[in-house]
Amino acid sequence: GEDVEQSLFLSVREGDSSVINCTYTDSSSTYLYWYKQEPGAGLQLLTYIFSNMDMKQDQRLTVLLNKKDKHLSLRIADTQTGDSAIYFCAERERDNFNKFYFGSGTKLNVKP
Amino acid sequence: KAGVTQTPRYLIKTRGQQVTLSCSPISGHRSVSWYQQTPGQGLQFLFEYFSETQRNKGNFPGRFSGRQFSNSRSEMNVSTLELGDSALYLCASSLRQRLDTQYFGPGTRLTVL
Repeated sequence: GEDVEQSLFLSVREGDSSVINCTYTDSSSTYLYWYKQEPGAGLQLLTYIFSNMDMKQDQRLTVLLNKKDKHLSLRIADTQTGDSAIYFCAERERDNFNKFYFGSGTKLNVKP
Repeated sequence: KAGVTQTPRYLIKTRGQQVTLSCSPISGHRSVSWYQQTPGQGLQFLFEYFSETQRNKGNFPGRFSGRQFSNSRSEMNVSTLELGDSALYLCASSLRQRLDTQYFGPGTRLTVL
């Protein structure tokens, strides 16, 4: 299967920006996703980006996609303590609508 | 619109037993996917059902099986439980269209003793 890699931990101070990075291997992926998981909960879709886009902004969230380097990032502006969670990036197989490959997740810790 | 629901939320079983987990998708969604989440392996795709048929399958042994009913509700069964099956089992539903995405339930936490 495809490999999706993320760093395991990120710690920031409240009010700062957080940048969570992800690399993937399937160059034919059509969509790339960011999910958030809070303790004891399932995954919540945050945002997604189509592979022909370079950037997508949604309120405090900015997704950047570098297709050449197969690098995806999620920037959270003005990070709040409520943003503390595990963030997963995921890629979807090109010809397989519902086969997703997830990274290992990045645990974001926001210090007050 | 109600979200994806999973029952039970928590389950404790012993080795060798079998277990059945249930997932009710968002109304109108016909695709249900199952994932296993463990600290060591992360999120791994188990299988996907659409219109009562298994459409995709991950790399899991035959002890893991599933089915989908005509109302799109899905069940997942694990037979002859092993300690390593302890995990959070997540279900996700979608419309299964090109511009679609998946919505996850809260999961069932299975502990095998």
